[in-house]
Amino acid sequence: SQTIHQWPATLVQPVGSPLSLECTVEGTSNPNLYWYRQAAGRGLQLLFYSVGIGQISSEVPQNLSASRPQDRQFILSSKKLLLSDSGFYLCAWSSPGALQETQYFGPGTRLLVL
Amino acid sequence: AQSVSQHNHHVILSEAASLELGCNYSYGGTVNLFWYVQYPGQHLQLLLKYFSGDPLVKGIKGFEAEFIKSKFSFNLRKPSVQWSDTAEYFCAVNAGGFKTIFGAGTRLFVKA
Repeated sequence: SQTIHQWPATLVQPVGSPLSLECTVEGTSNPNLYWYRQAAGRGLQLLFYSVGIGQISSEVPQNLSASRPQDRQFILSSKKLLLSDSGFYLCAWSSPGALQETQYFGPGTRLLVL
Repeated sequence: AQSVSQHNHHVILSEAASLELGCNYSYGGTVNLFWYVQYPGQHLQLLLKYFSGDPLVKGIKGFEAEFIKSKFSFNLRKPSVQWSDTAEYFCAVNAGGFKTIFGAGTRLFVKA
């Protein structure tokens, strides 16, 4: 069966520090991968998605970037965190090629920037 | 731009009460519709989905939703809620492509 992991679960970082959040998927090949930010009362905002290694699409211009160095690994990064980057970050995957299919979400990373 | 509106941010019900959570979307073309649920301490997971066919779809744990195209709605229902239904519920719409739009969520608290 497929599983999705995210780490760390919680992170407290100072303003201006770098960020690296990791997401890995097991049990499937060539998944579509997604990064979302969940803000209280505002639903999920799609940040990035990827349909393959090295292929990244950005939905919202911001202080963050994403990379996909391996088929089942998706990384969310920042060179210098802002206070406004605080939030709950969710990674998700869906079956390859079926763009409208169900998404499967990871446990999330809660980021607090101080 | 596409949007999804969930009418209630917080709902409090007693066990055995009936539930209906509203969801409206703004998009005139063909859509795929989802309800996701996040139970306390658990991952966000699919509750049910509509792609085509019968507009009344049934999901896990006795939930169902009805797609009414003329009203751009996809309301979630359950005839008798249980304490274990306490969770946050998200309506989501995909109109093609990679982007699925999520509503702001509705927090349901069921009193035992």
